[in-house]
Amino acid sequence: NAGVTQTPKFQVLKTGQSMTLQCAQDMNHNSMYWYRQDPGMGLRLIYYSASEGTTDKGEVPNGYNVSRLNKREFSLRLESAAPSQTSVYFCASSLNPGDSNQPQHFGDGTRLSIL
Amino acid sequence: RKEVEQDPGPFNVPEGATVAFNCTYSNSASQSFFWYRQDCRKEPKLLMSVYSSGNEDGRFTAQLNRASQYISLLIRDSKLSDSATYLCVAPRYNQGGKLIFGQGTELSVKP
Repeated sequence: NAGVTQTPKFQVLKTGQSMTLQCAQDMNHNSMYWYRQDPGMGLRLIYYSASEGTTDKGEVPNGYNVSRLNKREFSLRLESAAPSQTSVYFCASSLNPGDSNQPQHFGDGTRLSIL
Repeated sequence: RKEVEQDPGPFNVPEGATVAFNCTYSNSASQSFFWYRQDCRKEPKLLMSVYSSGNEDGRFTAQLNRASQYISLLIRDSKLSDSATYLCVAPRYNQGGKLIFGQGTELSVKP
């Protein structure tokens, strides 16, 4: 059981380049999330998808776009990368958005550096 | 006041010690909470869920005090492998499963 799988694990980009971070879960979860984590700071929500076909902004959505491709997959796109987007990106999923008792399960992250 | 606030740490304890972390939350409507463990910028992993007054799993005990709006995590007989950052997490009420993560408390267990 793979859980939440993120690709790539590491990436170095130049300022202005674009790229898409991929995330897939095999737990039949309804909700998926993208976070970033910077040194000395907690996890900050970028975008989330409460269910297939819906996406919403989180705390720090500027500079990012997302696509909920199907129930399994939720991608994060950086259209024009900036050094301020250097971070560790985590994807997570949870079973039922309407049930506050559900924890989120995380992928092992993408370490992104923008030069 | 932050929505979820944790002891700043770091906590440096010897092996075998008992250590406790506290976490306060601001939304009195929150019904359930979680403790996650995070090793050195790896992914957060669920350690315990806290749905009622408390929960125990081996050496780990989580307690919830709704009147005072705090959650605690007690680790008994600390192991070197317990060294990590512990994240206190609360759900955002009626916001589609979104969670609020505390900043984390760093624990270092020394031989």
